Amino acid sequence: DAGVIQSPRHEVTEMGQEVTLRCKPISGHDYLFWYRQTMMRGLELLIYFNNNVPIDDSGMPEDRFSAKMPNASFSTLKIQPSEPRDSAVYFCASTPPGGRTEAFFGQGTRLTVV
Amino acid sequence: QQQVKQSPQSLIVQKGGISIINCAYENTAFDYFPWYQQFPGKGPALLIAIRPDVSEKKEGRFTISFNKSAKQFSLHIMDSQPGDSATYFCAASNNAGNMLTFGGGTRLMVKP
Repeated sequence: DAGVIQSPRHEVTEMGQEVTLRCKPISGHDYLFWYRQTMMRGLELLIYFNNNVPIDDSGMPEDRFSAKMPNASFSTLKIQPSEPRDSAVYFCASTPPGGRTEAFFGQGTRLTVV
Repeated sequence: QQQVKQSPQSLIVQKGGISIINCAYENTAFDYFPWYQQFPGKGPALLIAIRPDVSEKKEGRFTISFNKSAKQFSLHIMDSQPGDSATYFCAASNNAGNMLTFGGGTRLMVKP
């Protein structure tokens, strides 16, 4: 398996524009997580899904953020409209069934909003 | 409380020395404590993990020590090498799901 695949790797956009980040989890994994990493706040959990269903979105900072998982092999994180303070590295991770197991992270998307 | 507190934020160690990173947690429901290693430009990757039924786990040069009564756990890197230079995150989760709560991270630099 190629691991968790995120796209794009880098995104530069202007304030006010819509940004969509994409994630393909490892096949067979039933949990998917979106994290945001910044120097100030470290790794923050934004939202996670189990079997394509959102379980906890309490970490989503504002209504400008939304996430979907239309099927077991694809998820998106959308920011609309984007703001400079959204600049961060966004990671997607997936875990297999069973609980208390290793989380496999993608390489991340570095988002810069100017 | 879901918070996991990690210290120090940064650490410089000479090659061959011992690197020690500490974490503390509040939620007594946590029962899985992994450590993740992150190199620049990469996502975090699992390094080693422990469950609270043991007080220590060793894998090569990496050891987790766990103190359930104090709600603390630590990572020791023996014979630290320049290749160990990375950011290390402690984390915790409970059997209610796979959700990990991460500490703030420690940036380790091992000087040759």
